Amino acid sequence: AQSVTQLGSHVSVSEGALVLLRCNYSSSVPPYLFWYVQYPNQGLQLLLKYTTGATLVKGINGFEAEFKKSETSFHLTKPSAHMSDAAEYFCAVSGSDRGEYGNKLVFGAGTILRVKS
Amino acid sequence: EAGVTQSPTHLIKTRGQQATLRCSPISGHTSVYWYQQALGLGLQFLLWYDEGEERNRGNFPPRFSGRQFPNYSSELNVNALELEDSALYLCASSLRGSRYNEQFFGPGTRLTVL
Repeated sequence: AQSVTQLGSHVSVSEGALVLLRCNYSSSVPPYLFWYVQYPNQGLQLLLKYTTGATLVKGINGFEAEFKKSETSFHLTKPSAHMSDAAEYFCAVSGSDRGEYGNKLVFGAGTILRVKS
Repeated sequence: EAGVTQSPTHLIKTRGQQATLRCSPISGHTSVYWYQQALGLGLQFLLWYDEGEERNRGNFPPRFSGRQFPNYSSELNVNALELEDSALYLCASSLRGSRYNEQFFGPGTRLTVL
């Protein structure tokens, strides 16, 4: 089975400060990992993904994440928070196989990011 | 290029009624996924359709069903609505044989059951 744990349902940072959103996963197959952002009353927008290759992946809006297999983690960071980053962030995993785990996303519970001025 | 579209935006029903939600995937995408985002329960996988067939379903009762049409659009039906069915229903699409299972999401349909 696959699962995702996001530590901290709410994170608050000051504008200009470092953003760190934590994600740990469990997967019995090599994982594909994703971060999505959801603004109020909207769908999900893909920020970045890890599939294979380079473990540090860069996404949109200045976000990046590092896949650490030994720690089963995929934390999301941004060096300097902007007011427009306030939203809910979801980490998700799917399998790299084409079977049971390969066709659906398993999401974490989400982390609401608040950016203070 | 148009993204994933869903209709209606909002839907209000009463207990016991049926709800029908619709999704149009991105042009060229043949896979459609449905997810439920309920308060306190997070995002849960509901159904996956590809090439007109149901390929996988999540841990939901049979009153959640759907279909995919020849143009790859999809419909989610929820019968005998219960209060706990109130949620945001998200549809996503992906390319056929998408190696990395990258899914693109629509804006969702908010279903309220009274």
